[in-house]
Order: sequence, then C-alpha cells, then structure tokens
Amino acid sequence: DAMVIQNPRYQVTQFGKPVTLSCSQTLNHNVMYWYQQKSSQAPKLLFHYYDKDFNNEADTPDNFQSRRPNTSFCFLDIRSPGLGDAAMYLCATSRGQGPDTQYFGPGTRLTVL
Amino acid sequence: QKEVEQNSGPLSVPEGAIASLNCTYSDRGSQSFFWYRQYSGKSPELIMFIYSNGDKEDGRFTAQLNKASQYVSLLIRDSQPSDSATYLCAVNRNAGGTSYGKLTFGQGTILTVHP
Repeated sequence: DAMVIQNPRYQVTQFGKPVTLSCSQTLNHNVMYWYQQKSSQAPKLLFHYYDKDFNNEADTPDNFQSRRPNTSFCFLDIRSPGLGDAAMYLCATSRGQGPDTQYFGPGTRLTVL
Repeated sequence: QKEVEQNSGPLSVPEGAIASLNCTYSDRGSQSFFWYRQYSGKSPELIMFIYSNGDKEDGRFTAQLNKASQYVSLLIRDSQPSDSATYLCAVNRNAGGTSYGKLTFGQGTILTVHP
C-alpha cells in the first residue's frame, strides 16, 4: 500500500541534544510538508518542499532545519531542542496539483527532557 | 479574526444521531476545503474534501460548502461511538490546476458520541 512513513514513532531527547526525524513516502508525491502539533492545537506548518524547492514559513525558528535528499525522503533536524519543542511532528505529502489533498504519516512524538 | 474558525466543543451527540460540525474561513480566495479526523495521539486522517458550492456525500458523511457565506460544514449521519474524535477543518487557498497551496487548519471540534 502506498503510504507515508515516519520514524521513529516516539523520540526522547535531552535539552539541547540534536535530533533528526525521518519521513518517507511511496506515493511519489511532489510536495512534502512538516507540521508541528502541540496538545489541543491545530497543526502548524513549519516548512515544505515542492520537489527540491524549499519553502520556509516566516515564523519557523532557525532551530528547525529540513533536508530532502530525494523524492521519497525528507528529514526534520532540530539543532538544539528546547522544552517548548516537545510536540507531535507530522509529515504530510501531496501531489502538488488539483485540490491537492495532503496525506499524513503517523507522526513522531518528541519528548524533551 | 482567525483564518479558520471552528467551535472547539466538545460536541456531544447520542449514538445514531446526526452530528453537525461547522467551520468558517476569512480568506475569500480559498478554493479547496478539507475535513480531517484525528483520534487522540494519532495523526489527521482525511475524511473528504470539497471545492464546489453545495453538498458532497460520501457514505455517512456529507460536506457542505457555501462560498458566499464563507462557511463549510460536515454532517455525520448515524453517528457511532467510533466517530468520537477531533475534527479538523482545513482550507487551501489555491484552486485546482497546476498550482498548489498550503493548508490552514482550524483548532478542531471535539466530537463525543455516547451510546
């Protein structure tokens, strides 16, 4: 089945210790998105790639970086996690045309100690 | 004014009833509208999308769109306890075609269906 996969599902890190979250897709979609979702809040878009073109949201902290080495994979790097970065991180993909439905992976729950 | 507004609820309905979830948006340029369901601790799951005025039905779900009133709703018929979740309304500014746009989510409405 075509899908969006995120690894790990749960990540525990220490304050200030860099962490990388992974997303892969078998949908062959052009666009990949990273969202941050805190408890009882709406998903907040951090950035997205259309193919290799990176698009950062204006209010995304510099602490968050992303890489997309190929069509299938996208990574979220948090360089120095703070306690406020504890959240669910959601990866989504879309074709990049038409109504452009976004399909979400299962998410990675990040805990910062 | 928030870009996408939903009543946070909780909305409580008895099993078998119709649940009505509402969403308003501020950007008249919005073209595509999505409803996602999110169970606690899980990721959003697409229920359906709509981009033309009127109703769109899919099984027990009906989406309704009124662009003049900037209003989109989701009706769930024959509600089941398994429908208990947070329902997120999301709005995409770009129309269908070769362009694409970003989603703006509402805060979500918590729905509880009690037996």
